[in-house]
Amino acid sequence: DGGITQSPKYLFRKEGQNVTLSCEQNLNHDAMYWYRQDPGQGLRLIYYSQIVNDFQKGDIAEGYSVSREKKESFPLTVTSAQKNPTAFYLCASGIRAADEQFFGPGTRLTVL
Amino acid sequence: AQSVTQLDSQVPVFEEAPVELRCNYSSSVSVYLFWYVQYPNQGLQLLLKYLSGSTLVKGINGFEAEFNKSQTSFHLRKPSVHISDTAEYFCAVRESGGTYKYIFGTGTRLKVLA
Repeated sequence: DGGITQSPKYLFRKEGQNVTLSCEQNLNHDAMYWYRQDPGQGLRLIYYSQIVNDFQKGDIAEGYSVSREKKESFPLTVTSAQKNPTAFYLCASGIRAADEQFFGPGTRLTVL
Repeated sequence: AQSVTQLDSQVPVFEEAPVELRCNYSSSVSVYLFWYVQYPNQGLQLLLKYLSGSTLVKGINGFEAEFNKSQTSFHLRKPSVHISDTAEYFCAVRESGGTYKYIFGTGTRLKVLA
């Protein structure tokens, strides 16, 4: 079955540690996205990538980093510079400019 | 700059009653419009989308939405809701050319009461 996978579903980290969230898609989509979701704030764009080896900052990129070495993979690293990392993180992908985004199941990150 | 406003953060409604979830947007260019649904601790699922053509769009689960360009609105409606429709609903817009960037509203939590 085609789709988007995110792992792990729940992630705990200590303050000051970097952590990497995985996002993989087998839909052959060109574009991939990372969003952060907090209660009452909807989805905020962290980074997006339209093609391999290229990505752009979204609205809240500070404290995060990404890479796009393969079309199917777009990992997100939450660095120790991110002041409030506890949130629900959603990965998405899209096939063409006019089409909707397809979302993964999300990763809930909790900083202890 | 684009923006999306969902004025109602929560909407309670009794089962089998109609519901309307409001979405207004601002943009200086043509846009594509989307409604997504999110169940607890899950990703988002597309309900419907407007790209061009007929302003009345029908989606899954009996939902429909109407694009009103003059009022810059894209309200979501369902004539009779079920308990299973309890979820959070997000409106989103994207400019019709160039960037792949989407802007989401803050969401409306629909609670269907028995």
